[in-house]
Amino acid sequence: GAGVSQSPSNKVTEKGKDVELRCDPISGHTALYWYRQSLGQGLEFLIYFQGNSAPDKSGLPSDRFSAERTGGSVSTLTIQRTQQEDSAVYLCASRGTGNEQFFGPGTRLTVL
Amino acid sequence: GQNIDQPTEMTATEGAIVQINCTYQTSGFNGLFWYQQHAGEAPTFLSYNVLDGLEEKGRFSSFLSRSKGYSYLLLKELQMKDSASYLCALRTDSWGKLQFGAGTQVVVTP
Repeated sequence: GAGVSQSPSNKVTEKGKDVELRCDPISGHTALYWYRQSLGQGLEFLIYFQGNSAPDKSGLPSDRFSAERTGGSVSTLTIQRTQQEDSAVYLCASRGTGNEQFFGPGTRLTVL
Repeated sequence: GQNIDQPTEMTATEGAIVQINCTYQTSGFNGLFWYQQHAGEAPTFLSYNVLDGLEEKGRFSSFLSRSKGYSYLLLKELQMKDSASYLCALRTDSWGKLQFGAGTQVVVTP
């Protein structure tokens, strides 16, 4: 596709369960970013990947959060033992050689 | 860190002009972005300022003053479709890592 895609678009889970969120960046984009947006808040940086370099994980809020990027393309954000405060919209973005980050539609996560 | 402050909400009438201010405290950054986000949708790019001064793009202009720690986004000839949240963000490293403000909700009234 032409843009960044994310799946699922909505995810409802029970507290304590693990969830996986997927991001397909724009083809050829070497940089991939994950952000979290809680209700009424700005975007909060979580992690980013750039080519084959080690990812910058400095924004991950706890060790329950992890992410990987396979083959320099698709990325998965995993949240283990979900808590209610993890409820948010999780946004993925990718960037090519320019400055602009292109955002996906997000995954709305609700932890009951 | 880079505290980024924006007004929470602004209201203006169709056809008018609105200026959204963004102030920050930081020791250094690569550039400043403005994004537009309609409710329930992904943010979309509006502008990127690296050097001080005004960047104009149609009805939207963005200004940066590094010495004053200040930027603004100017929206002219407001249209109803401009009702959205406007996000100010600092690019904090060469790889494009962004730190966002909380956003300014602009409400355009008839």
